[in-house]
Amino acid sequence: DAGVTQSPTHLIKTRGQHVTLRCSPISGHKSVSWYQQVLGQGPQFIFQYYEKEERGRGNFPDRFSARQFPNYSSELNVNALLLGDSALYLCASSLDLGTLGYTIYFGEGSWLTVV
Amino acid sequence: AQTVTQSQPEMSVQEAETVTLSCTYDTSENNYYLFWYKQPPSRQMILVIRQEAYKQQNATENRFSVNFQKAAKSFSLKISDSQLGDTAMYFCAFMKHNSGNTPLVFGKGTRLSVIA
Repeated sequence: DAGVTQSPTHLIKTRGQHVTLRCSPISGHKSVSWYQQVLGQGPQFIFQYYEKEERGRGNFPDRFSARQFPNYSSELNVNALLLGDSALYLCASSLDLGTLGYTIYFGEGSWLTVV
Repeated sequence: AQTVTQSQPEMSVQEAETVTLSCTYDTSENNYYLFWYKQPPSRQMILVIRQEAYKQQNATENRFSVNFQKAAKSFSLKISDSQLGDTAMYFCAFMKHNSGNTPLVFGKGTRLSVIA
């Protein structure tokens, strides 16, 4: 079975632009989460979606938004890009909500560079 | 809010030797999960081992084991018989036991180098 897939793998954007990152969870997984990992740091939680509803939001500005589609895939959108948004964006999926005992699986991430 | 601290930014170990990575956390929760994730140069986070706070027995997965001290809020990872493929960033992570929002809280990581 395919793992968590993310696209694009690498992209370069200019300050002020908008970016959309995409994630396909493992087949059958209903929960998708997004994390931002700045170089040299651990990942930081941005959003969690479960059954197409937002179930959690981290401490990120309103420029960050996300959604989950009926097929459980997800998009992360970032508007008005800043240099500080340069990071690895990780998508994670789980069969159900993580604390019900299911393992959380991560994709390989999307490297975003803002210049 | 929960915090996770990894006090060793970098460590190295000789191949076949044993190494222990440290992690402490701060929480007022009683029920939670703790994890160690490995992130090799490919950047994909790979789950190494998981511990439920209500279990007193330390988790073990092949060459990987943990020393979970709930009262001390300590969760160290021991890697036995280190292999070159163990070279990676290792992240300690915490998750509340909650039926709603379930984000992982990560430490800053420890870079482990296994030397031949």
